[in-house]
Amino acid sequence: DAGVTQSPTHLIKTRGQHVTLRCSPISGHKSVSWYQQVLGQGPQFIFQYYEKEERGRGNFPDRFSARQFPNYSSELNVNALLLGDSALYLCASSWQGNGNTEAFFGQGTRLTVV
Amino acid sequence: AQSVTQLGSHVSVSEGALVLLRCNYSSSVPPYLFWYVQYPNQGLQLLLKYTSAATLVKGINGFEAEFKKSETSFHLTKPSAHMSDAAEYFCAVSDRAGGTSYGKLTFGQGTILTVHP
Repeated sequence: DAGVTQSPTHLIKTRGQHVTLRCSPISGHKSVSWYQQVLGQGPQFIFQYYEKEERGRGNFPDRFSARQFPNYSSELNVNALLLGDSALYLCASSWQGNGNTEAFFGQGTRLTVV
Repeated sequence: AQSVTQLGSHVSVSEGALVLLRCNYSSSVPPYLFWYVQYPNQGLQLLLKYTSAATLVKGINGFEAEFKKSETSFHLTKPSAHMSDAAEYFCAVSDRAGGTSYGKLTFGQGTILTVHP
């Protein structure tokens, strides 16, 4: 079975632009979470979706938004990009999205803002 | 609010030596605790997790961790390091209660493990 897939793997954007990152969870998983990992730091929680509803949101500005589709795939959107948005964006899927079910991570999307 | 502190951003050991990576957590409710490994340019892979069963948890690749509530610690150990263990390791805590934090992982800053021949 395929693991969590994210696209694209790398992209370069200019300040002020908009970006959309995509994630396909493992088949059967209903929860998708997004994390931002800045170089040299641990991942920071951005959003969690379960059954197409937002379950949790981290301390990120409103420029960040996400959604989950009926097939449980997800998009993360970032508007008005800043240099500080440069990071590895990780998507994680889990069956239930509660505290003790394992979260499986994708390879990430490396976003560079210039 | 939950938090995780990993003591030591870099740990260096010789091949065959004991690996000890330290993690202390803070949580207002009984936590779930996890160790993840990240190889360069890759995502995170779960090594092991504590979910209130046995306090000594065994994971993949010979790693294990012990939950000590009195010390609020969840240190990761491996008796004998291999070259292939060189990677970055993250300790994480998850809220076992309900609410909007349910399932959210809070990560430490990470510890880079270097293994020398």
